[in-house]
Amino acid sequence: KQEVTQIPAALSVPEGENLVLNCSFTDSAIYNLQWFRQDPGKGLTSLLLIQSSQREQTSGRLNASLDKSSGRSTLYIAASQPGDSATYLCAVCEGNKLVFGAGTILRVKS
Amino acid sequence: DTAVSQTPKYLVTQMGNDKSIKCEQNLGHDTMYWYKQDSKKFLKIMFSYNNKELIINETVPNRFSPKSPDKAHLNLHINSLELGDSAVYFCASSRIQGVGELFFGEGSRLTVL
Repeated sequence: KQEVTQIPAALSVPEGENLVLNCSFTDSAIYNLQWFRQDPGKGLTSLLLIQSSQREQTSGRLNASLDKSSGRSTLYIAASQPGDSATYLCAVCEGNKLVFGAGTILRVKS
Repeated sequence: DTAVSQTPKYLVTQMGNDKSIKCEQNLGHDTMYWYKQDSKKFLKIMFSYNNKELIINETVPNRFSPKSPDKAHLNLHINSLELGDSAVYFCASSRIQGVGELFFGEGSRLTVL
């Protein structure tokens, strides 16, 4: 059974810092891995999708990497801003469904 | 124009009642999903429909019955509500079954008293 773990559970950083969020999964037989952002009381917004054959994806200040063989992904956020404060969720796609981690709550202090 | 919309956003009801949550997507996607987010914020899939056909039914009590009248709509009906059904229910859609990017609605917060 696929299990997705995200570390740390919560993170508080000053504005401007670069930071890394970690995601690990137990079964490497995945189609893709997706990173989402969830703001309080809101739905999820897709940030990056990495296909199983890819190693990384970039969008603006965000860079996500995937090491399928070791079951790990990282989300790198450069020059963090207070507007980046949210919960970041990692999800792996196996078969027809996504399996989510519990998320990392990020707070960027101004 | 909202891509995936759910109604109602908030629902407070008594134990034993029956309630429905509606979802519509205007993205032209073939696949729609219901996810449940519990108090610990874990998101778990409940159902998936592809072109109105049930694809995934993840160990959900049969008090929960999804209905897809067409591929743009996926409604969730819950009978005999229990306290443990309190959660946020998210609808989502994707262009390709399983392997595509998911687009989520804003969630429907259900509170059972």
